[in-house]
Amino acid sequence: DAGVIQSPRHEVTEMGQEVTLRCKPISGHDYLFWYRQTMMRGLELLIYFNNNVPIDDSGMPEDRFSAKMPNASFSTLKIQPSEPRDSAVYFCASSLTGQGGNQPQHFGDGTRLSIL
Amino acid sequence: QKEVEQDPGPLSVPEGAIVSLNCTYSNSAFQYFMWYRQYSRKGPELLMYTYSSGNKEDGRFTAQVDKSSKYISLFIRDSQPSDSATYLCAITRPGGYNKLIFGAGTRLAVHP
Repeated sequence: DAGVIQSPRHEVTEMGQEVTLRCKPISGHDYLFWYRQTMMRGLELLIYFNNNVPIDDSGMPEDRFSAKMPNASFSTLKIQPSEPRDSAVYFCASSLTGQGGNQPQHFGDGTRLSIL
Repeated sequence: QKEVEQDPGPLSVPEGAIVSLNCTYSNSAFQYFMWYRQYSRKGPELLMYTYSSGNKEDGRFTAQVDKSSKYISLFIRDSQPSDSATYLCAITRPGGYNKLIFGAGTRLAVHP
């Protein structure tokens, strides 16, 4: 069974460029999460969706970041314009409805983003 | 003060050792407690979760929660080189069951 699929795996771009990260959740999962991981701040939740609807975007750092989920099998995280401090590993995760750990979040292998 | 504190290590142990990984948390109302394992250049994967105080065992792994002390632990018995990874604790707030708050992660190296 395919897991969470993220693309691209690596992205290197120059400051000011638009960056789009993509995620395909596990089929049938109704929750989708976007995380960012850095050495300084660890793994932080940016935003999550339930049934394609954004539920909590309080972790989105600023207006340069936006996320969409047009259908149950696809989501994007966009940064425009990008800045060097956005360099991080961005993870997408999905899960079924549940409480805490009894419905684990399944993570993709991340997109390693470098902004020069 | 961070909501979840975890010593980032690194921790280096010989094969076969018992490993103890720990986290403390700030709010006694936190409800679910999880341990995720993350291999290099991979996403985290859930190892264990607990809801109440006490121990939960799964093979070589034991998760322990002490709600009175706001302290959670993961023990690994008979550690193997394949256990070398970063271990992240995670918790949820009441009513925020899908919103995981992660510790910084402890990097573990098990050498043959």
